[in-house]
Amino acid sequence: SQKIEQNSEALNIQEGKTATLTCNYTNYSPAYLQWYRQDPGRGPVFLLLIRENEKEKRKERLKVTFDTTLKQSLFHITASQPADSATYLCALDDSSASKIIFGSGTRLSIRP
Amino acid sequence: NAGVTQTPKFQVLKTGQSMTLQCAQDMNHEYMSWYRQDPGMGLRLIHYSVGAGITDQGEVPNGYNVSRSTTEDFPLRLLSAAPSQTSVYFCASSPPGRTDTQYFGPGTRLTVL
Repeated sequence: SQKIEQNSEALNIQEGKTATLTCNYTNYSPAYLQWYRQDPGRGPVFLLLIRENEKEKRKERLKVTFDTTLKQSLFHITASQPADSATYLCALDDSSASKIIFGSGTRLSIRP
Repeated sequence: NAGVTQTPKFQVLKTGQSMTLQCAQDMNHEYMSWYRQDPGMGLRLIHYSVGAGITDQGEVPNGYNVSRSTTEDFPLRLLSAAPSQTSVYFCASSPPGRTDTQYFGPGTRLTVL
């Protein structure tokens, strides 16, 4: 069956460290993968997109990698800050239809 | 631009009641979609539309209807509400030719008693 999984339900790390979140998928062949941030009581906000032919994408303190062989994306936040605390969602396109499918999210907490 | 707007923000229904969740966008986006979000289950796609007059089912369409008579509006109808439909509902839209970027509304929190 098709699945998209974010391995950690919650992640707690010390301020200043690098946070690494994982997204794995099975039985999809996505053309791209996205990462979103969601704060409590709000809708998700788009952060980054990485395409199947890209290995890595960066935006300020954010870095995303995409390994189509492992069927995995890693999302890194370097020099993490308490303001980075939120739930992070990965999503991919179901290339068999015009659908975007989401993982269940990882709740990230950065402690001072 | 107001972006993606949703009304109401909160709603309580009794089992068997019907209602419509409203979604509108003023960005001339062709692609619009509805998701529900439940604890531990992430966002699940209910229905989506690639343009006015065209709708299709997502992962969990049962119990919901949609229509897309205009580019701007994409209402979600609950025909006969059930407690299993208690959830937070998000509407999203994407620019023309850019379904790889979605803009989400603020959500509607629905409770069915």
